Amino acid sequence: DSGVTQTPKHLITATGQRVTLRCSPRSGDLSVYWYQQSLDQGLQFLIQYYNGEERAKGNILERFSAQQFPDLHSELNLSSLELGDSALYFCASSSLIGRGPDTQYFGPGTRLTVL
Amino acid sequence: DQQVKQNSPSLSVQEGRISILNCDYTNSMFDYFLWYKKYPAEGPTFLISISSIKDKNEDGRFTVFLNKSAKHLSLHIVPSQPGDSAVYFCAAPQYGGSQGNLIFGKGTKLSVKP
Repeated sequence: DSGVTQTPKHLITATGQRVTLRCSPRSGDLSVYWYQQSLDQGLQFLIQYYNGEERAKGNILERFSAQQFPDLHSELNLSSLELGDSALYFCASSSLIGRGPDTQYFGPGTRLTVL
Repeated sequence: DQQVKQNSPSLSVQEGRISILNCDYTNSMFDYFLWYKKYPAEGPTFLISISSIKDKNEDGRFTVFLNKSAKHLSLHIVPSQPGDSAVYFCAAPQYGGSQGNLIFGKGTKLSVKP
């Protein structure tokens, strides 16, 4: 158990809909990352938040957005869903203190199926 | 452009033998590398890392070797156990250093047969 929790575990929805994925980081971790894993791709970085502020952005579609709340949990919002958005979505957290090596700990993921 | 490449999608080894998983990278800025293990229906789990100031890092049965000139690293598992059967991902922080979002290879599925 990494200490990172994600809900829901599975989500089935229709094209055009909007969903929200939730992540609670490990206790004390200020940094949250979102990654997408689709069938033909490896894990792709979407976005990072650090202590409530957006820190880095990857290949995140404009239809997707995220935020990190004062209690440090994060939500990833996916809207106008398309079939190609079906994927596993992972959240990872890390402490990101100082300049030393920073290990990311991953949650169990949310499997999104868009029909 | 794939900056981290794992060219073997799968590997099968006998229990007790050595498993060698390979990873190549193209970006010279990368100077810290991580290996993650992933079981089905679970998130990736951190396994071992290596900094470019070293050419080897060992943790129990797991050893990672780094060849900077060849831009190649490998993960050795000795002896391999059936519980090691999983997908192994090689990763590196996208902008160099040892922090930040990770670039992952596509993974190698290891099967250890009893």
